[in-house]
Amino acid sequence: AQKVTQAQTEISVVEKEDVTLDCVYETRDTTYYLFWYKQPPSGELVFLIRRNSFDEQNEISGRYSWNFQKSTSSFNFTITASQVVDSAVYFCALTPIYNQGGKLIFGQGTELSVKP
Amino acid sequence: GAVVSQHPSWVICKSGTSVKIECRSLDFQATTMFWYRQFPKQSLMLMATSNEGSKATYEQGVEKDKFLINHASLTLSTLTVTSAHPEDSSFYICSARDVSGRADTGELFFGEGSRLTVL
Repeated sequence: AQKVTQAQTEISVVEKEDVTLDCVYETRDTTYYLFWYKQPPSGELVFLIRRNSFDEQNEISGRYSWNFQKSTSSFNFTITASQVVDSAVYFCALTPIYNQGGKLIFGQGTELSVKP
Repeated sequence: GAVVSQHPSWVICKSGTSVKIECRSLDFQATTMFWYRQFPKQSLMLMATSNEGSKATYEQGVEKDKFLINHASLTLSTLTVTSAHPEDSSFYICSARDVSGRADTGELFFGEGSRLTVL
C-alpha cells in the first residue's frame, strides 16, 4: 500500500521565522517520485519540487529547501525566513515512476499561516 | 512551461442538472489526463484516469455513470457530472503529463481547478 502522511494539520508562525513541514511516505515500490505542491486560497496547485527516489541529495531553491531521507521515508520541506505570501496549504505527494507519473497519492496537507 | 487550463473555474447549478468541466493541455499533447476531487479542507483524491481514444479508468468507489469522462483529443478531456446533487459540490482539478519527450521528467501539470456548487 502507498500512503503519504503529513502529521501537521496546521502551522502558524510569525513572519521571518523558519518553518519545517513534515512528510512521511510508505511505498513498496523501489522507484518513485515525491512532490511538494502549494495550494493558495485561490485553489490552483503550484508545483514546487519533484524528487525521484534515486536522488537523495537535498535541494535548496531560494528560501525553500527539501530534506529527502530515504532511510526514514521522509521528505521534509523547510521555508526559511517565512513571509505572509507563504500562507497556503502545502501538499506532499507520491507516485511510482512506472505509473506514468500520473496517479499521485497526496498527503492530507498542512495549512501554513504566516502572520505579519 | 507547460500549461493545463480548466473551464469553467467555478459553476453554480441546480440539483438535477448536468455540468461539464473541460481540461485542456495548451502547449503539449496529453494522451493521459487525471481527474481529482477535493472537498473543503481535505486532500485531493484521484477519481479517474482519462485515456485519449479509450475508456477512462475509474478509481474504486467512483460512479462511472455519475462522472462521465471523455478524452476525445490529445489536448482535451471533459468531466461531466450528471444529475448533480449538493453532495457533488466540490473542487475538481485535472492534471496532465507531457510525454512528448521534451519535458518527460515526471512532472505533472495541474489545471486551475473548477469549483462546483450544486444548490
